[in-house]
Amino acid sequence: EPEVTQTPSHQVTQMGQEVILRCVPISNHLYFYWYRQILGQKVEFLVSFYNNEISEKSEIFDDQFSVERPDGSNFTLKIRSTKLEDSAMYFCANSWGGATETQYFGPGTRLLVL
Amino acid sequence: GDSVTQMEGPVTLSEEAFLTINCTYTATGYPSLFWYVQYPGEGLQLLLKATKADDKGSNKGFEATYRKETTSFHLEKGSVQVSDSAVYFCALSLTGANNLFFGTGTRLTVIP
Repeated sequence: EPEVTQTPSHQVTQMGQEVILRCVPISNHLYFYWYRQILGQKVEFLVSFYNNEISEKSEIFDDQFSVERPDGSNFTLKIRSTKLEDSAMYFCANSWGGATETQYFGPGTRLLVL
Repeated sequence: GDSVTQMEGPVTLSEEAFLTINCTYTATGYPSLFWYVQYPGEGLQLLLKATKADDKGSNKGFEATYRKETTSFHLEKGSVQVSDSAVYFCALSLTGANNLFFGTGTRLTVIP
């Protein structure tokens, strides 16, 4: 069965540094998402991406965050200047359709900002 | 605002015990409801879903019924196995939106 992959599995960075989290979605899926989970808290929606543009974003997804599909395959999340509170598990997800369609999640990238 | 409240964990059960994990929601309109499961070292996987009131989602012996009157979507299984040990997440999506709102997750450990 096709699966979503994410790299790296773990990343440690210094506050103020840029990080790029990468995801390889299931091919032929059209909707792409990023979520995060701060330790002990809820999984929170960050952004959805469809037809090469952001379709929805949460309040968390401020100017420090950006997403793109640089080569039509990978789906990346960039944090320009990391803060301590960005430490979390970041999950990529994708789906064939929106709303009620199943979202397929990657295993996550654990980001630690020091 | 829209949210999901999920039973706090962790939950530890003996094999073949009955499982209930409570989930209630607050949402405008008519959300779709989901249970996702995360096994160790893996991503979240859809376990079951229900898209309208009174629908019952079921999969792998797990069931949940969409109860609009009580705004609930409790997860149940009649006889758990060691292999069911995982973290379970209740979630909702709103009509016309694509993102999911998740609960905090409930860690289930089943002991032989």
